[in-house]
Amino acid sequence: DQQVKQNSPSLSVQEGRISILNCDYTNSMFDYFLWYKKYPAEGPTFLISISSIKDKNEDGRFTVFLNKSAKHLSLHIVPSQPGDSAVYFCAAVQARKIHGSSNTGKLIFGQGTTLQVKP
Amino acid sequence: DAGVIQSPRHEVTEMGQEVTLRCKPISGHNSLFWYRQTMMRGLELLIYFNNNVPIDDSGMPEDRFSAKMPNASFSTLKIQPSEPRDSAVYFCASSFSGSGELFFGEGSRLTVL
Repeated sequence: DQQVKQNSPSLSVQEGRISILNCDYTNSMFDYFLWYKKYPAEGPTFLISISSIKDKNEDGRFTVFLNKSAKHLSLHIVPSQPGDSAVYFCAAVQARKIHGSSNTGKLIFGQGTTLQVKP
Repeated sequence: DAGVIQSPRHEVTEMGQEVTLRCKPISGHNSLFWYRQTMMRGLELLIYFNNNVPIDDSGMPEDRFSAKMPNASFSTLKIQPSEPRDSAVYFCASSFSGSGELFFGEGSRLTVL
């Protein structure tokens, strides 16, 4: 039961072009979405996020789009650079209160998409 | 500031042996997560703690897996007995008040022969 799915295991683009990574989710209760980037032999690192009340968030070359009706989000990288070559994971979380005091969330990740940017 | 620290980085063991993975979260973070990375399932959540209390362990594969968090600065994930299918990279991550942004350690690569 994969609640967050990345259906493309890999993507190859030319340097300077746009990279589009896609992600689908099934749980309509998710209210916050994130993208993580992972280099070999390292842990994933946070890249960009978006709240469910928005449909777009931009940070430099990275833009995340959210389509709630389609339960779909995408990450656009423009222009793509060789250093962007990595595995990209999308993740979703439903915030919840624990013991009435703190918020926490169960972050669910997709399978990951390996991006290769060719010089 | 030190990030999330995991040990060992690499572990090779034989089937049937006990394996203990360790994690020190970022100081001040109150949520701790254990994930397992495999090719088929990507990053799979095993268990997470909030304020040292296990909140959701539904991802723990079976009774051979157990996790503890005796205090805010230390957690262990134990596999006993280990099996070849447990071979994977195990990540520990921490966050503050469920901000959603997790900080990951470098992972522990486990190989069970």
